[in-house]
Amino acid sequence: GESVGLHLPTLSVQEGDNSIINCAYSNSASDYFIWYKQESGKGPQFIIDIRSNMDKRQGQRVTVLLNKTVKHLSLQIAATQPGDSAVYFCAEVSGGYNKLIFGAGTRLAVHP
Amino acid sequence: EADIYQTPRYLVIGTGKKITLECSQTMGHDKMYWYQQDPGMELHLIHYSYGVNSTEKGDLSSESTVSRIRTEHFPLTLESARPSHTSQYLCASSENQGYTFGSGTRLTVV
Repeated sequence: GESVGLHLPTLSVQEGDNSIINCAYSNSASDYFIWYKQESGKGPQFIIDIRSNMDKRQGQRVTVLLNKTVKHLSLQIAATQPGDSAVYFCAEVSGGYNKLIFGAGTRLAVHP
Repeated sequence: EADIYQTPRYLVIGTGKKITLECSQTMGHDKMYWYQQDPGMELHLIHYSYGVNSTEKGDLSSESTVSRIRTEHFPLTLESARPSHTSQYLCASSENQGYTFGSGTRLTVV
């Protein structure tokens, strides 16, 4: 079946370094992907999205890269800050009814 | 400021009790969803709705039920709670491909 998974369950970085969180997906027909940030006790918060007709999209301090050949997504966070500490999920929009399929999540821990 | 509201935020109840988790949104979205999330794990879709009187089961089997009598309201009910239902329940709504999530209800069944 369809699935979206992450390569690393945890990632520890130093404040100021760049972070890269990876994600693999299995449904080659998916045309829309979203990265979410979830802080403890809160619901997922939208970070950035990308459509399958793009390879790269940049936001403020974040960049998402999409490699359709190997069905891989990555989220790059520049100059990581303590406030970036959270669990990050990639999600794939499936079918015609906007169903989000989530991966297992990566916990990002930023150390001073 | 959240446009989707879930109550209660935390709930501890005894086994066998009937409970209803509330979810309301003020954005007029037709599509609404319930996800179940264990700590540190991914979100699993358990129910969704495309509009009033439309409900469907999600990818993860759940003993809960939902109703959609009004566009803005999508409650989830457990007729007889069990410890295995202990989890976080997140509600979301969407328009086109933009999702908004509530803060969730953390349910503990003892």
